[in-house]
Order: sequence, then C-alpha cells, then structure tokens
Amino acid sequence: QLQLQESGPRLVKPSETLSLTCSVSGGHFTSSYYFWGWIRQPPGKGLEWIGSISYSGSTYYKPSLKSRVTISVYPSKNQFSLRLSSVTAADTAMYYCARTTVITGRAFDIWGPGTMVAVSS
Amino acid sequence: QSVLTQPPSVSGAPGQRVTISCTGSSSNIGASNEVHWYQHLPGTAPKLVIYENNNRPSGVPDRFSGSKSGTSASLAITGLQAEDEADFYCQSYDTSLSAWVFGGGTKLTVL
Repeated sequence: QLQLQESGPRLVKPSETLSLTCSVSGGHFTSSYYFWGWIRQPPGKGLEWIGSISYSGSTYYKPSLKSRVTISVYPSKNQFSLRLSSVTAADTAMYYCARTTVITGRAFDIWGPGTMVAVSS
Repeated sequence: QSVLTQPPSVSGAPGQRVTISCTGSSSNIGASNEVHWYQHLPGTAPKLVIYENNNRPSGVPDRFSGSKSGTSASLAITGLQAEDEADFYCQSYDTSLSAWVFGGGTKLTVL
C-alpha cells in the first residue's frame, strides 16, 4: 500500500528557505498517471495547494507563490521536495504531500500525515 | 479568498441529511473539470470521500454522494452520524490558472 511521509525542519527563521522532502514507499512512483503535490494549511485556515510535479519533472505552481516555490523530483530515491524561499510568519502551516492521479480526475487520493512548520526567529 | 466558494458551516441532527455546496466558475467547475471532496478531521490528513464529481473511493460509506451541475457541485451526507463531524473541502482544477484549487472549507456539526 502506497505511503507518503514528509520530513524536514520544523522551525525556519524569517527570510530563510523552507525545505521539505516527501518519501514515497509501497507503490509505483515513476508513472505517467501520477503527479506529486504539496498542500498546506495555516492555523485556523483552509487547505491551500502549493504546487505539483510529474515524475518527469513538469511543474505546476500556485500563481501567487510561484516566485518563491521550487518543487523537484528524485525518481531514483522515490522522493520529491519543496523549497519555499523568503518565508514569513504567514508561511507557518501544516504541510502535506499528496499524490494526484489522472485516473481519479486529478484528485489527491493519498496523503502524508503532514508536518507542522513554524516560521519564527 | 478561495477560487471555490463553500458555506462556512452546516449542521444537522443524527440521522438527518445535509448538503454542502461548492460554487466555482467557467474556468474550473464549469470547464468540465471534475470536483472532489475531502473530509478533514483535526490532527489527521485529509481523506478523499468523493472523486470525479460522484464516485466513492473504496471504504467510503454510500451515505456520502456528490453531484455537479454547471459551475456548482454539492456533497450530500445522509443518515448523519456523530463521526461525520469534520471540515469538508471541495477541490477542482482551474484551466485558466493551470492550478489545483480548493474551496474555503465547511465545518459540519452534528447536533
């Protein structure tokens, strides 16, 4: 059964870069049917899509975050990553990685448990 | 402000039926992009309960159903149970933005 797990620093200083990795296990990673994405939820707010990437490296970013976001994929490691630069307190959130599949109409069908990242000095 | 609009809250008594609406536009729901629904309990990852407008993943009770018409979609839950209390989010794809988009979320309270 496919599982996703986020990892990375839980505390980031303002103006620095937030870096997270999602490790995928128990299933196929390099399939043209799948996209791998990052979603976050600030405290007390709703879900916000950050961006997605295909196994071949095609990327899609939320327009308002595009200038600060880089998502990369590492097929040989079954991993993909998120880098968010110039962070502020507004980037404090629970960050989730998730799989999207064209088979389910681009729904996020499998999610990691999430990791809380705080931006603070 | 979210691209997809949901009511902030809905409520119902055990056994009743509730619906949650999701309103979009001609560039997302109205552009024939599918609508998906997630149930989110505090401290857990969101769970897909409806995909492609009206399909249930394996293990989701048939009390959950979805529909779509024009630029809107709805999630219906019948036979409401205490365990259904959660936040629900709709999600689609916006063709103009080339972006996955979520609704603002609806808090379901079981009275």
